[in-house]
Amino acid sequence: GENVEQHPSTLSVQEGDSAVIKCTYSDSASNYFPWYKQELGKRPQLIIDIRSNVGEKKDQRIAVTLNKTAKHFSLHITETQPEDSAVYFCAASIQAGTALIFGKGTTLSVSS
Amino acid sequence: NAGVMQNPRHLVRRRGQEARLRCSPMKGHSHVYWYRQLPEEGLKFMVYLQKENIIDESGMPKERFSAEFPKEGPSILRIQQVVRGDSAAYFCASSPGDGNTIYFGEGSWLTVV
Repeated sequence: GENVEQHPSTLSVQEGDSAVIKCTYSDSASNYFPWYKQELGKRPQLIIDIRSNVGEKKDQRIAVTLNKTAKHFSLHITETQPEDSAVYFCAASIQAGTALIFGKGTTLSVSS
Repeated sequence: NAGVMQNPRHLVRRRGQEARLRCSPMKGHSHVYWYRQLPEEGLKFMVYLQKENIIDESGMPKERFSAEFPKEGPSILRIQQVVRGDSAAYFCASSPGDGNTIYFGEGSWLTVV
């Protein structure tokens, strides 16, 4: 089955800096790659996703890149703010009847 | 449009008791997923169901855990004879179909004492 590795497990940045979180996946058939943000005690919420027919997607300060050949994808957050502090999870799935498999998460701390 | 509804939000059980967690998917969603999150750990896939069918239960422990999604009513995750290691947050998510975005409920926090 699919296996998703995520790095780093913790990331501390100063407000205004950029943050990058990287994930690799094992199943070359995977074609859907979402990112979720989870604040303490709350549910994971989708922040951005990308499908395998696209190499990059951007939404304001957040961007995701995908390299299918290398089987890795990354989340980029620019101009970080304290409210970006949370745990971020990457995930991967293939379309045909399988569930999302998540990485172990990255705890991002943005200090002002 | 109400989101994914889970109840109870918090549940305390003594060792050996049974825990039942319920999940009502978003309106129009026929796919339900259950994930377990241990303290300071990731989201571990447990089971994926459609109405009256288990599609993938590869993440479910072999014993004591079961899940169903009946034709009528919510999906239920059942844990029999709970042990302290079952203490975790259990998240349900739903989607309208394969390969689509999944939306999480607020979670059910199980504490076994």
